[in-house]
Amino acid sequence: SQTIHQWPATLVQPVGSPLSLECTVEGTSNPNLYWYRQAAGRGLQLLFYSVGIGQISSEVPQNLSASRPQDRQFILSSKKLLLSDSGFYLCAWSVPRRGRRDEQFFGPGTRLTVL
Amino acid sequence: DQQVKQNSPSLSVQEGRISILNCDYTNSMFDYFLWYKKYPAEGPTFLISISSIKDKNEDGRFTVFLNKSAKHLSLHIVPSQPGDSAVYFCAASAQGGSEKLVFGKGTKLTVNP
Repeated sequence: SQTIHQWPATLVQPVGSPLSLECTVEGTSNPNLYWYRQAAGRGLQLLFYSVGIGQISSEVPQNLSASRPQDRQFILSSKKLLLSDSGFYLCAWSVPRRGRRDEQFFGPGTRLTVL
Repeated sequence: DQQVKQNSPSLSVQEGRISILNCDYTNSMFDYFLWYKKYPAEGPTFLISISSIKDKNEDGRFTVFLNKSAKHLSLHIVPSQPGDSAVYFCAASAQGGSEKLVFGKGTKLTVNP
């Protein structure tokens, strides 16, 4: 069966510090991978998605970046965090299938607080 | 511009009764819709989906209805149970959109024993 891991579960960082959140998926090959953020009082906002190694699409301009160094690894980074980067970060995966739409499966999330 | 709207931030129902969660969308290119359930400090879990070629999909206690002309969908939970208490997100995607999902802000459902 497939599983998705995210770490850390919680993180408190000062403004201006760097960030690295990691997500790995097990039990599937060549998944689509996604990073979402849920800010306080808001829905889930898609930040980045990737359809393959090294292929990253950005949905929202910001000071965050994403990388996919391996097929089942997705990393969210920042060189300098802002207060507005606080939120609940979720990684998700889906398996693209021709002629069929499938749901996305979410990881447990990382609660980031920038002080 | 919010393409997926859940206008009720919260809903409270009695155990055993029906819960109806509503969702409206504005993008006519959306053709696939999903409902997710989320507990605090956890990732959302998939509940049920519906393609635009259908107007109803049922899975146990959960039924999703789609009204394409009104650009409206709803999730019915019958009977509601206390364990259903969570935040419910409506999401939509468009064909050829790399399966990107657009989410609503969510509705917090509380089922009282």
